[in-house]
Amino acid sequence: DARVTQTPRDKVTEMGQEVTMRCQPILGHNTVFWYRQTMMQGLELLAYFRNRAPLDDSGMPKDRFSAEMPDATLATLKIQPSEPRDSAVYFCASGLSTRVSSGANVLTFGAGSRLTVL
Amino acid sequence: GQQLNQSPQSMFIQEGEDVSMNCTSSSIFNTWLWYKQDPGEGPVLLIALYKAGELTSNGRLTAQFGITRKDSFLNISASIPSDVGIYFCAGHPSGSARQLTFGSGTQLTVLP
Repeated sequence: DARVTQTPRDKVTEMGQEVTMRCQPILGHNTVFWYRQTMMQGLELLAYFRNRAPLDDSGMPKDRFSAEMPDATLATLKIQPSEPRDSAVYFCASGLSTRVSSGANVLTFGAGSRLTVL
Repeated sequence: GQQLNQSPQSMFIQEGEDVSMNCTSSSIFNTWLWYKQDPGEGPVLLIALYKAGELTSNGRLTAQFGITRKDSFLNISASIPSDVGIYFCAGHPSGSARQLTFGSGTQLTVLP
């Protein structure tokens, strides 16, 4: 089965440290999304890439978060410096879309990276 | 922005019972999707709906795209213990480049 691979699965770090989460999207998918899940806010969209270009990162705190796609097989989400309020599960998802506003962009999610910032 | 209201927030049912949950929106959606999330895992797609009025089944699961395009429901028949998890609706708003919006989830517990 094709799947989205995320690393690390779990990360515990101290406040102020840099955190990098990685995602390998499904081969052939041209869209990549980063979501954050917390009990209070549910699933929140952080950033969205299409054909490796960032199209929407309005949900991401710009001062400390950054998302990139160095190549088609790797997406990264970096937090620097990390804060306790960043503790959450971060999901990467990929999909295939032929139009920016396509209504048929079905996403496949990775298993998530659980981040705990002490 | 667009918001999805998903209900109920949680359900406790006996094994063998049928389950129904729904999502509503104040705006029109082009696509409705239903996902299930098991503990420690990411959401997994159950059913995708693309047309108003569409009724689609996947085993014991049935979902419908509301005729007004502002709602969708998911039914699970004859529940079994492995149905336990969080069910999310998600939709793609019409006339917008915004991506999938997720409901807050329905936590389903199936009692033996």
